[in-house]
Amino acid sequence: EVQLVQSGAEVKKAGESLKISCKGSGYSFADSWIGWVRQKPGEGLEWLGIIYPIDSDTRYSPSLEGHVSISADTSINTAYLQWSSLKASDTAMYFCALISVTATFFDNWGQGTLVSVSS
Amino acid sequence: DIQMTQSPSSLSASVGDRVTITCRASQAIGNSLAWYQQRPGKAPKLLLYGSSRLQAGVPSRFSGSGSGTDYTLTISGLQPEDFATYYCQQYYRSPQEAFGPGTKVEVK
Repeated sequence: EVQLVQSGAEVKKAGESLKISCKGSGYSFADSWIGWVRQKPGEGLEWLGIIYPIDSDTRYSPSLEGHVSISADTSINTAYLQWSSLKASDTAMYFCALISVTATFFDNWGQGTLVSVSS
Repeated sequence: DIQMTQSPSSLSASVGDRVTITCRASQAIGNSLAWYQQRPGKAPKLLLYGSSRLQAGVPSRFSGSGSGTDYTLTISGLQPEDFATYYCQQYYRSPQEAFGPGTKVEVK
């Protein structure tokens, strides 16, 4: 069974750094694209970026490139979403999701990590 | 970039009703469309892909159709667990596979 288990909720202040994680199991982590999706309070889903762990090929949403970074560690089957300097506008639920082998839609999702950033 | 719109943004329905949600892309996307269901406080769940292919384990009351720029999700015989928000997503142009803004299905 495919499982994506995300790290717990975070409460931070603007300007702080943060790294949240997503551990995959039940599939071949290294050669499966995995991505991150943001959902701000009361809003819809926003595609942030994806990574191919085996070679770290990474694609970002142009609107967020430079503000977040995506990485992966194949030795522990874990993907990461990282900020060097958080903003209050980063307050959101963040989901990791596995991209289908068929095409680039998401067929398995993590449970979400709530990030709250105060100004 | 391909932009996605959905209509309506919300609708009220009763158990047993037939519900139709529309998704429109800003350019033709060649049936590269997925539908997701998100219940309150939960992660999204894939329902259909390829505009009409049912994901394994999804009830057959969910169906999809469309072509070019216009696509629909139909729920035939709404069940209590179907009250949720539904999102479409294009994956014709990668990266940045855009989601629609969502349609909330509420209890009438």
